[in-house]
Amino acid sequence: QVQLVQSGAEVKKPGSSVKVSCKASGGTFSSYSMSWVRQAPGQGLEWMGRIFPILGITNYAQKFQGRVTITADKSTSTAYMELSSLRFEDTAVYYCAREKSIRLSQGEVATEFDYWGQGTLVTVSS
Amino acid sequence: SYELTQPPSVSVSPGQTASITCSGDKLGDKYACWYQQKVGQSPVLLIYQNSKRPSGIPERFSGSNSGNTATLTISGTQAMDEADYYCQAWDSSTAHVVFGGGTKLTVL
Repeated sequence: QVQLVQSGAEVKKPGSSVKVSCKASGGTFSSYSMSWVRQAPGQGLEWMGRIFPILGITNYAQKFQGRVTITADKSTSTAYMELSSLRFEDTAVYYCAREKSIRLSQGEVATEFDYWGQGTLVTVSS
Repeated sequence: SYELTQPPSVSVSPGQTASITCSGDKLGDKYACWYQQKVGQSPVLLIYQNSKRPSGIPERFSGSNSGNTATLTISGTQAMDEADYYCQAWDSSTAHVVFGGGTKLTVL
């Protein structure tokens, strides 16, 4: 059974950075992409970006481009998400999620997140 | 960028059928999936590739996708189904993942 275990809650000052970890077990870490999704208080899910560990390729949502860095350590099956220049509105629960993707008919890709971490609350406060 | 639209809330009586829609331009040409999120918990995959259920998901949850709308149907809704539901798809122009805004299901 795949498990994704994230690091603990963080409190950060505006302008600083936060780095959240996500350790995977029970599966083949490098064979899937790992995405990061955040959820602000009372709000919906927001995709931030992904990494494909076996190739080290990353892909970021336009909104976070330049502020987010996603990395992976294949030796420890751990993914990391670092968000810089933190603002009050970055206060949210951050999730890692294993992304399964397959190219199906007419070139369209079916992608879904089949396993999720428990979430890490990042609070930005002065 | 691609957008998915869901109704903010849906209400249903216990034992009845609930339908939650997700709209997007030519969404029927893409593959949609659905998540359930209960208060204080991580999302759980309910439906993938429009209509497939992962192991362990009850048969009362089903999905369809045609035209501009994907639909999650919950048959014989139970009190335990009260949760937020999110649709999700792939934006082929950017290779980005897109979520709908979420629908709060209330079982009255």
